[in-house]
Amino acid sequence: DGGITQSPKYLFRKEGQNVTLSCEQNLNHDAMYWYRQDPGQGLRLIYYSQIVNDFQKGDIAEGYSVSREKKESFPLTVTSAQKNPTAFYLCASSIGHGGNTIYFGEGSWLTVV
Amino acid sequence: AQSVTQLDSHVSVSEGTPVLLRCNYSSSYSPSLFWYVQHPNKGLQLLLKYTSAATLVKGINGFEAEFKKSETSFHLTKPSAHMSDAAEYFCVVTFGDDYKLSFGAGTTVTVRA
Repeated sequence: DGGITQSPKYLFRKEGQNVTLSCEQNLNHDAMYWYRQDPGQGLRLIYYSQIVNDFQKGDIAEGYSVSREKKESFPLTVTSAQKNPTAFYLCASSIGHGGNTIYFGEGSWLTVV
Repeated sequence: AQSVTQLDSHVSVSEGTPVLLRCNYSSSYSPSLFWYVQHPNKGLQLLLKYTSAATLVKGINGFEAEFKKSETSFHLTKPSAHMSDAAEYFCVVTFGDDYKLSFGAGTTVTVRA
């Protein structure tokens, strides 16, 4: 089936560690996105990529990094510089710009222990 | 600046009664509008979208929404609520060729038996 796969579903991080969340899509979409969702709140954009080897900062990029070496993959690294990383992270993709439907993965929970 | 406002943070309805979720946007440009649903610990699923075609849009699971340009609104309705409709609902707006989406804060729907 076509879709977006995020892994792991649950991840625990110790203080000072970097962690990487995986996002893979087989929809042949050019654009990919990472959002952060805190309990009871809406989604905030971390990074987005319109095409391979290119990405832009969203509204809350500090403490995060991404890469887009392949069209189907857009991993997100949560660095130790992110002071409050505990949240639900959602990866998404779309064919092109915002007028097109954005499809979401099932999300990954990151907890700092 | 573009923005989207969901007027109700929480809506409670009885099973079998109508559901109304309100969404207003502000922008100088013609928008693309979406409603997504999110069940606990899951990704967002598209219910319906408006992209300058018919102003009354029908979606999945019996939901529909009407785009009213004069009122800058895109309210979501369903004639008869089901227990499975209990979830978080997000109104999402994008403008022109922008890759960035604007999310409402979400409306939590509770369905009483």
